[in-house]
Amino acid sequence: GAVVSQHPSRVICKSGTSVKIECRSLDFQATTMFWYRQFPKQSLMLMATSNEGSKATYEQGVEKDKFLINHASLTLSTLTVTSAHPEDSSFYICSARENRGTGDTQYFGPGTRLTVL
Amino acid sequence: AQSVTQLGSHVSVSEGALVLLRCNYSSSVPPYLFWYVQYPNQGLQLLLKYTSAATLVKGINGFEAEFKKSETSFHLTKPSAHMSDAAEYFCAVSSMNTGFQKLVFGTGTRLLVSP
Repeated sequence: GAVVSQHPSRVICKSGTSVKIECRSLDFQATTMFWYRQFPKQSLMLMATSNEGSKATYEQGVEKDKFLINHASLTLSTLTVTSAHPEDSSFYICSARENRGTGDTQYFGPGTRLTVL
Repeated sequence: AQSVTQLGSHVSVSEGALVLLRCNYSSSVPPYLFWYVQYPNQGLQLLLKYTSAATLVKGINGFEAEFKKSETSFHLTKPSAHMSDAAEYFCAVSSMNTGFQKLVFGTGTRLLVSP
């Protein structure tokens, strides 16, 4: 149980284009999902908290107009990187917090490797 | 504010040897503590978690961790390393006070296992 998927696993795009990444909780409902960014050989940096049916909460320094988050259902959150540039190249990981029980655990997706040329 | 410190960016052990990965935390409220493992180009997999119940927590793949409040530590151990244990390990902290909205990660420790 507690499986989170991400799609796509890898994406290469040209500078200036937009890329959408999907995060799905497959066997549980998640009111809250999280988006992280991980630079090579570094830890995870929380970008934003995605809440179903409401606006996402962005961490300080994260451009909300560049990283658009939509959490339209209890099992799906999307991250759209708009007008991508090479510096946006990174490993993006989502997680979902289960609604059941105490909801104290985040389950992570397999990540999406974004390369902007 | 909460924080986690992982001592040692790299730990090398021989196959069959004891694995010890260190994690110290800082929290003004009772913490919930987690260990995650990340294999190359993959997401994070939960190994185990401490949520204020038993201080010795057993996880998957033979790993366990002990919560020591007096030492503000939550070190991860495994009696005998396998080659398949080679990966990046992250310690993380959250708390009920923040509604588990924030998971703060340490910088990670890469475990290297030699034959």
